[in-house]
Amino acid sequence: EVQLLESGGGLVQPGGSLRLSCAASGFPFSSYAMSWVRQAPGKGLDWVSATSASGGTTYHADSVKGRFTISRDNSKSTVYLQMNSLRADDTARYFCAKGTSWELHDFWGQGTLVTVSS
Amino acid sequence: QSALTQPASVSGSPGQSITISCTGTTSDVGGYNYVSWYQQHPGRAPRLLIYDVISRPSPISTRFSGTKSGNTASLTISGLQAEDEADYYCSSYRHRNTLVFGGGTKLTVL
Repeated sequence: EVQLLESGGGLVQPGGSLRLSCAASGFPFSSYAMSWVRQAPGKGLDWVSATSASGGTTYHADSVKGRFTISRDNSKSTVYLQMNSLRADDTARYFCAKGTSWELHDFWGQGTLVTVSS
Repeated sequence: QSALTQPASVSGSPGQSITISCTGTTSDVGGYNYVSWYQQHPGRAPRLLIYDVISRPSPISTRFSGTKSGNTASLTISGLQAEDEADYYCSSYRHRNTLVFGGGTKLTVL
């Protein structure tokens, strides 16, 4: 059974940092691209970042470039999102998703909530 | 980055067919065949319905189908069922290696 389990969310002050993790199981992790997609409360989906299967290529939305970094550890079947210089508009549920290519998300985790507030 | 344009809401009665549009530009929907559609029930994770404009993952019902004409992609749901009531999102590859989602469409089954 495919599982994606996000963790690391919580309450952080503006300007602070958080590191999200997504532990994968039930599929050959190193063969799949992985992505982070967020959803602000009551709003739509917003693509954040993606990484190729090997981790050698990464992609980031303009809104997070220079602040967020996606990475993966294929030996641990885990993908990460390092979030720095957090702002109030980064408040959202952050979903981890897998796909045969980075722009495709064929399975999603349940998400972890990030709240940026003083 | 501006989102793709979807109607805020659509509705239909059980058994009917409905179509949700997703309008972009030549830099995204019109320029590439990398359009996907997702279904999201309240409080749940999104689920992939359609990818590469017209392809359907194996567990997805044949009642869901996708098309594209010019800068507009469309999702059609035939034989509408109560369980189809949900939010629907399109996404598309956009030039310079970015991905953009539509604003979402709330489907109400009357």
